[in-house]
Amino acid sequence: GAGVSQSPRYKVAKRGQDVALRCDPISGHVSLFWYQQALGQGPEFLTYFQNEAQLDKSGLPSDRFFAERPEGSVSTLKIQRTQQEDSAVYLCASSPTWRGSYNEQFFGPGTRLTVL
Amino acid sequence: AQTVTQSQPEMSVQEAETVTLSCTYDTSESDYYLFWYKQPPSRQMILVIRQEAYKQQNATENRFSVNFQKAAKSFSLKISDSQLGDAAMYFCAYHRAGNDMRFGAGTRLTVKP
Repeated sequence: GAGVSQSPRYKVAKRGQDVALRCDPISGHVSLFWYQQALGQGPEFLTYFQNEAQLDKSGLPSDRFFAERPEGSVSTLKIQRTQQEDSAVYLCASSPTWRGSYNEQFFGPGTRLTVL
Repeated sequence: AQTVTQSQPEMSVQEAETVTLSCTYDTSESDYYLFWYKQPPSRQMILVIRQEAYKQQNATENRFSVNFQKAAKSFSLKISDSQLGDAAMYFCAYHRAGNDMRFGAGTRLTVKP
């Protein structure tokens, strides 16, 4: 596809369940970002990959959050033992260059996670 | 830390009229970029316009223009000839090279026919 895709679009989990959210960036894009967007708020940075290397995970809220991008393309954000406060939209974005240069980030449609 | 403030949670404009969305930010840096993103109900964030801090000239993209006041750390978005399709959440964002992008809380724009 031409854009960033994410799956699933909606996910409902019971508290304590593990979830995995997938991001397919634009082909060839070097940088990949994950954001968390709470209801009525702007996106907040979670983590950054340059190719397969996770260079910044300073925004991950707890050690229950884990992200990977093993082959430098598709990325997965995993949340273990979900809590109600994890309910949010999780956005993925990719960019053709590394984070040190200024370039547009192309966003996916997001995954809305609801933890009951 | 850099913060971005959007003081207008909601704005409304009549179709074909002009509306201005406000954004202020806090930084001690001199080299950075500012962005306005649009997020319709489909949730896909779309870049509207961007401004390089070192450029004095305000960016324009068709009906969208910005008023960038570097000293005042202000970056407002003007939408001219508003259309129904402009209705969305608008986010102001700050980005400095090598760092993560910081977003404001957003402004919900309603366009009345």
